[in-house]
Amino acid sequence: AQRVTQPEKLLSVFKGAPVELKCNYSYSGSPELFWYVQYSRQRLQLLLRHISRESIKGFTADLNKGETSFHLKKPFAQEEDSAMYYCARSGTTDSWGKLQFGAGTQVVVTP
Amino acid sequence: DAGVIQSPRHEVTEMGQEVTLRCKPISGHNSLFWYRQTMMRGLELLIYFNNNVPIDDSGMPEDRFSAKMPNASFSTLKIQPSEPRDSAVYFCASSFLLARNTGELFFGEGSRLTVL
Repeated sequence: AQRVTQPEKLLSVFKGAPVELKCNYSYSGSPELFWYVQYSRQRLQLLLRHISRESIKGFTADLNKGETSFHLKKPFAQEEDSAMYYCARSGTTDSWGKLQFGAGTQVVVTP
Repeated sequence: DAGVIQSPRHEVTEMGQEVTLRCKPISGHNSLFWYRQTMMRGLELLIYFNNNVPIDDSGMPEDRFSAKMPNASFSTLKIQPSEPRDSAVYFCASSFLLARNTGELFFGEGSRLTVL
């Protein structure tokens, strides 16, 4: 079974400090990797995807195939970054659209 | 577009009762997903449809769970009979899936189910 592992359930950081959310995935082919975010009282939404190679809201994520990781990073956390973050991977050839999510990491940014 | 619409937003029911959750995907999307969110297990994919056809229902926990998509604009997730361990937030999401490109998933606001 495809797996996505987010080892940290909770990350508490101070405003202005760097934040890194870890994500490891089970290897199978060449999956697409994503980070989704759920802010308080908002819908779960896409933050970024590895094929875009872009920075969204100051966040970046690099796909490391050797380590099968897709860690999310931001050099200077802001209070508005407080949210639940989910790492996700696509399925295999016969179930490409099947996104599997990790358990999620709750980020709390304190002033 | 109002996005993915789910109903009801909240449901409280007693064990043994039938529960039906509804979802209207975004117009033009060809894939629909049902997820369940709990504190213990996070977001679990229950079933997904492509062009109204169920593609993978391996995440459906038991025969008590069933899902249908009679047309491109409506889907239901039914639990019969419901049990307290079914208490969770159920999310519906839709996307436009094209060949080997995984489209962005657009989520509904969720249906919070409590089974007493």
